[in-house]
Amino acid sequence: GQQLNQSPQSMFIQEGEDVSMNCTSSSIFNTWLWYKQDPGEGPVLLIALYKAGELTSNGRLTAQFGITRKDSFLNISASIPSDVGIYFCAGQLIETSGSRLTFGEGTQLTVNP
Amino acid sequence: GAVVSQHPSRVICKSGTSVKIECRSLDFQATTMFWYRQFPKQSLMLMATSNEGSKATYEQGVEKDKFLINHASLTLSTLTVTSAHPEDSSFYICSARDYRRATTEAFFGQGTRLTVV
Repeated sequence: GQQLNQSPQSMFIQEGEDVSMNCTSSSIFNTWLWYKQDPGEGPVLLIALYKAGELTSNGRLTAQFGITRKDSFLNISASIPSDVGIYFCAGQLIETSGSRLTFGEGTQLTVNP
Repeated sequence: GAVVSQHPSRVICKSGTSVKIECRSLDFQATTMFWYRQFPKQSLMLMATSNEGSKATYEQGVEKDKFLINHASLTLSTLTVTSAHPEDSSFYICSARDYRRATTEAFFGQGTRLTVV
């Protein structure tokens, strides 16, 4: 099956710093999604990417769909304490898996004030 | 829009009993809902895909007789954990896709923390 490698597993940064995390896949996707999960809550969609090469922003967040369709990155600029949480990438390949998502292992972000 | 509500948010049950978890799409219709399980510090693992009006599709290794899924309407899917055991304790999360949208992203419920004692 499809494998998603997400890195880094965890990050400890100072407030105001920029953050970058990425996901790579063993096979292609036609949709990449980035979610944030707070403790005890379900994931919340941050950014959705539908086209290879697409670069999309949502406030301080920027994500890109890799040209090869096998990778994606998420950048957070000027981090703030409420950015703390677990960030997950998820890939989707409609042709073979329908609406099913394959999730990365997550990146635990800690922001020190 | 695209709000998914899950109930209950927390449940504690005795070993051997059954627990039902509801997943509702509040402002859209969902022909497909998904049920995930998440252990502490781990990612979401898909358990099954729930299709309105038909049988759910279970992932390999998930016992369909233990995790009963019913998707009787376009806004409600239920997961029943039957004869629960302590190893079933986990965080269960549903997601739903708005079939009217051209895009395919799924929206998640807030999750249910199940503790079996």
